[in-house]
Amino acid sequence: EPEVTQTPSHQVTQMGQEVILRCVPISNHLYFYWYRQILGQKVEFLVSFYNNEISEKSEIFDDQFSVERPDGSNFTLKIRSTKLEDSAMYFCATLAGGYEQYFGPGTRLTVT
Amino acid sequence: AQTVTQSQPEMSVQEAETVTLSCTYDTSESDYYLFWYKQPPSRQMILVIRQEAYKQQNATENRFSVNFQKAAKSFSLKISDSQLGDAAMYFCAYSTRGGAQKLVFGQGTRLTINP
Repeated sequence: EPEVTQTPSHQVTQMGQEVILRCVPISNHLYFYWYRQILGQKVEFLVSFYNNEISEKSEIFDDQFSVERPDGSNFTLKIRSTKLEDSAMYFCATLAGGYEQYFGPGTRLTVT
Repeated sequence: AQTVTQSQPEMSVQEAETVTLSCTYDTSESDYYLFWYKQPPSRQMILVIRQEAYKQQNATENRFSVNFQKAAKSFSLKISDSQLGDAAMYFCAYSTRGGAQKLVFGQGTRLTINP
């Protein structure tokens, strides 16, 4: 069965550094999402992406965050200058056009 | 804005028994989806069951079923014949039927299965 993959599985970075989290969506999916889950808390929506542009973003998704699909396959989330509070699990999800979002295994980001 | 509330932070059940997890939501939309996701210790998000709001019939998937009360905006999950592998965090989630279809999650319920 096709699956969403994410790399790296765990990223440790120092405060103020830039990080790029990568996702490879399922090939025929059209909608892409990033979600965040701080340890012990609920999963929160960050941004949705369709037709090469952001379709919706949350208040969490400020100027420090950006997304792109640089090569037609990867879907990336960049955090320009990480803060301690950015430490979380980041999930990529993709949607073909129906209802089911397929989640990747997540990237655990630790900011020290 | 849509909100999802899970009022039970933790639940426990004896193996082979039945347990019900509660969820309420708030929306002004008439057409939407509701979901239950399971998150085991690996933290992978696994879709358990979904319900379309326009369908009156409650969804079922093997041992998992829902009680969808649209007027009350309630969406509970019933797990029958609980198994040790059912132990996980369970998240209730909502999405609109069109548009960006972002998922709005509840706070989660940690389910423990007692052998």
